[in-house]
Amino acid sequence: GDSVTQMEGPVTLSEEACLTINCTYTATGYPSLFWYVQYPGEGLQLLLKATKADDKGSNKGFEATYRKETTSFHLEKGSVQVSDSAVYFCALRGPVDQGGKLIFGQGTELSVKP
Amino acid sequence: DAGVIQSPRHEVTEMGQEVTLRCKPISGHNSLFWYRQTMMRGLELLIYFNNNVPIDDSGMPEDRFSAKMPNASFSTLKIQPSEPRDSAVYFCASSFRQAPNEKLFFGSGTQLSVL
Repeated sequence: GDSVTQMEGPVTLSEEACLTINCTYTATGYPSLFWYVQYPGEGLQLLLKATKADDKGSNKGFEATYRKETTSFHLEKGSVQVSDSAVYFCALRGPVDQGGKLIFGQGTELSVKP
Repeated sequence: DAGVIQSPRHEVTEMGQEVTLRCKPISGHNSLFWYRQTMMRGLELLIYFNNNVPIDDSGMPEDRFSAKMPNASFSTLKIQPSEPRDSAVYFCASSFRQAPNEKLFFGSGTQLSVL
């Protein structure tokens, strides 16, 4: 079945450091890909998405490019802030005729120190 | 819009008791999802509905779990009888459509502790 694999955390960085969180997926067909973020004590929020190959999603300085050839959707940010500390989830959503459900990776905790 | 509303925020109960979690999706959304989050297994999809009809309940762990969506504005997840291993955060989420490019909006979750 469809699945998402993320790099394990926790990831600890200093403020202004570069961030990359790796995400790869396995899917039949052509899923849409998402990054969600969960701040402490809250539900998940959409960070960015890409719906087809070579699309780049971006938001709040974060970027991710849908790479069909490597089945990857790595999250990147050039300069992290303390406020970026959260858990980040990569996810895919398949087509309606295959259920259309959103499947998450295991999450990667990011801690940014001042 | 108030977003997806879940109640209660916290539930502490004893093993063997019935637990009912509630969810009000965003008005106009026709897909609703229940997820469970634990440290060991991360986010697991339990069940989801489209237009109030259950589409896929393959993630429901066992017969002790049941979910209903009697109308477009309300859903419940029930555990009877509850067990300590059911302790987790349960999230409800909704989306406007079942389409793959539609994002999900999540509630704040219900933290369930079964003693």
